[in-house]
Amino acid sequence: AQKVTQAQTEISVVEKEDVTLDCVYETRDTTYYLFWYKQPPSGELVFLIRRNSFDEQNEISGRYSWNFQKSTSSFNFTITASQVVDSAVYFCALSSGGYNKLIFGAGTRLAVHP
Amino acid sequence: SQTIHQWPATLVQPVGSPLSLECTVEGTSNPNLYWYRQAAGRGLQLLFYSVGIGQISSEVPQNLSASRPQDRQFILSSKKLLLSDSGFYLCAWSISTGVPGELFFGEGSRLTVL
Repeated sequence: AQKVTQAQTEISVVEKEDVTLDCVYETRDTTYYLFWYKQPPSGELVFLIRRNSFDEQNEISGRYSWNFQKSTSSFNFTITASQVVDSAVYFCALSSGGYNKLIFGAGTRLAVHP
Repeated sequence: SQTIHQWPATLVQPVGSPLSLECTVEGTSNPNLYWYRQAAGRGLQLLFYSVGIGQISSEVPQNLSASRPQDRQFILSSKKLLLSDSGFYLCAWSISTGVPGELFFGEGSRLTVL
């Protein structure tokens, strides 16, 4: 069975702090894809990154970075020097089995305070 | 460019009343279409997906149904709403071929059943 676990329900930080959002996944497939989405207060989900199971290189995009480790089935997301605009709910998701169906974690609500 | 719209944005309905949420996609052909539900404080649950006109797959047993009368139109319905149907409903689309890609989400429809 496929499953995505985001153990952190809510995180609160002060602006400029670094914060890491954890994601652990379960799948029996050897080929799969992992995603991170951001849901700002407006409600619409915004795509952040996709990573396939054969590419374990970490990725950095500005203040965002992602650490993919197959050995621990984790795909963690770090925001460096957080800003108030980073406040949102962040979802980790897994796609496997065709038709691009995404299985989402419960989400982590990040609050960045000035 | 592709866009996705869903409506209504907000809906308050009494128990036992019918429901119809609509979603349309513009700027692409033969997309995969999805309905997700986000219950308060919880992650996104895939309800239905469609890979073509008239082709609907249900992921979970429930009180809702979906239809795809046209290539870029996806409708979520119920004949009699239950209290447990309350939630935030998100329509999404993705390309139907190739490597699993990102889902593009609509603005969401917030349903409150009283």
